[in-house]
Amino acid sequence: EAGVAQSPRYKIIEKRQSVAFWCNPISGHATLYWYQQILGQGPKLLIQFQNNGVVDDSQLPKDRFSAERLKGVDSTLKIQPAKLEDSAVYLCASSFPPGLAETGELFFGEGSRLTVL
Amino acid sequence: DAKTTQPTSMDCAEGRAANLPCNHSTISGNEYVYWYRQIHSQGPQYIIHGLKNNETNEMASLIITEDRKSSTLILPHATLRDTAVYYCIVRPRNTGGFKTIFGAGTRLFVKA
Repeated sequence: EAGVAQSPRYKIIEKRQSVAFWCNPISGHATLYWYQQILGQGPKLLIQFQNNGVVDDSQLPKDRFSAERLKGVDSTLKIQPAKLEDSAVYLCASSFPPGLAETGELFFGEGSRLTVL
Repeated sequence: DAKTTQPTSMDCAEGRAANLPCNHSTISGNEYVYWYRQIHSQGPQYIIHGLKNNETNEMASLIITEDRKSSTLILPHATLRDTAVYYCIVRPRNTGGFKTIFGAGTRLFVKA
């Protein structure tokens, strides 16, 4: 079974530039998550989708970050304009639909590492 | 905010059992205890979860106290490859409407 796919794996940009990350969840997974992980810290939830609706985006800096999940499958996270403090790994995860979760576990991709200079 | 408290770091000798504690004193009746681990440069990986009974799988054992306010993840024979950050999370099993919040975790160093 294919896992959660993310791209690009690495991205280096200058501050005030824009960047986009893409995530393709495991087939059939209705819930999709974007996390930001700054070096030395645990993952911080940015946004959680249920199909193509937003469950929670309370920690998403909406003045510069945006995310969408068209058609309830893959998702894009955009940062515009980027700041130095956005340097982090952006992790995408997915999980089964509610009621069908055998374990309720989240499956993570390998992440996209962003460096803002 | 994370609903769990874990030690920042722990050491363990290779071949010995690693016991990682977690406090979750405000856990609700419908919340499970989940453990994940994150090896350097990878995304977190699910290890095990439980509600109130002790659980065991091929990776680890989970011991939950009777009052459910704390738990311990046990790696019975730690290897160097178990060096990672371990996260304890409490959350209902239904993932759809509930956030999965990670804390800082415990950094486990397995030494030869």
